[in-house]
Amino acid sequence: SQQGEEDPQALSIQEGENATMNCSYKTSINNLQWYRQNSGRGLVHLILIRSNEREKHSGRLRVTLDTSKKSSSLLITASRAADTASYFCATDAGDMRFGAGTRLTVKP
Amino acid sequence: GAVVSQHPSRVICKSGTSVKIECRSLDFQATTMFWYRQFPKQSLMLMATSNEGSKATYEQGVEKDKFLINHASLTLSTLTVASAHPEDSSFYICSARQGAVSTEAFFGQGTRLTVV
Repeated sequence: SQQGEEDPQALSIQEGENATMNCSYKTSINNLQWYRQNSGRGLVHLILIRSNEREKHSGRLRVTLDTSKKSSSLLITASRAADTASYFCATDAGDMRFGAGTRLTVKP
Repeated sequence: GAVVSQHPSRVICKSGTSVKIECRSLDFQATTMFWYRQFPKQSLMLMATSNEGSKATYEQGVEKDKFLINHASLTLSTLTVASAHPEDSSFYICSARQGAVSTEAFFGQGTRLTVV
């Protein structure tokens, strides 16, 4: 079964804009990870944030984690057409479960 | 990052035959491996978790007699879809973790199974 929900389900923006995706989950976790998937391909690991961390940055990516609200967000700044993909959060509580995902389209 | 190799990347088989998918960790020892399936435009659904040398733990609703998982070594896990049917057609993905929780899991490139 899936761990949680992501919103929005789909997001369409113009190149250069920021994209924010949210993830909510239900149980206690050890860490939360964000992945990207291009259509029909494997997953690419983006960032891991531990349960005792609140914010993490990697290049144009910024992830926040609020364990009290059981939610996380992924911000992609200055988006590019190449960022077009599906983005998933995955909670790690011993096993790894994925949210429903957000389909991001960045228009050139 | 570490490399997980999944093979084959695509397979087409006839209904009623069995298909084996391999997942190998190439440069680390995987104490835990996960198997997922993904239908088009949907998320990854966890099928089972396997630890080296012990039986896999299956998620509710996943038939263990149909989806046979073997994690016989620290670098190899296999998923066998027994007597495959068209409804088993899906994208299957494995992932492997080296240590305990809070370590990154690495994913294979997935296997697209089509049962005709």
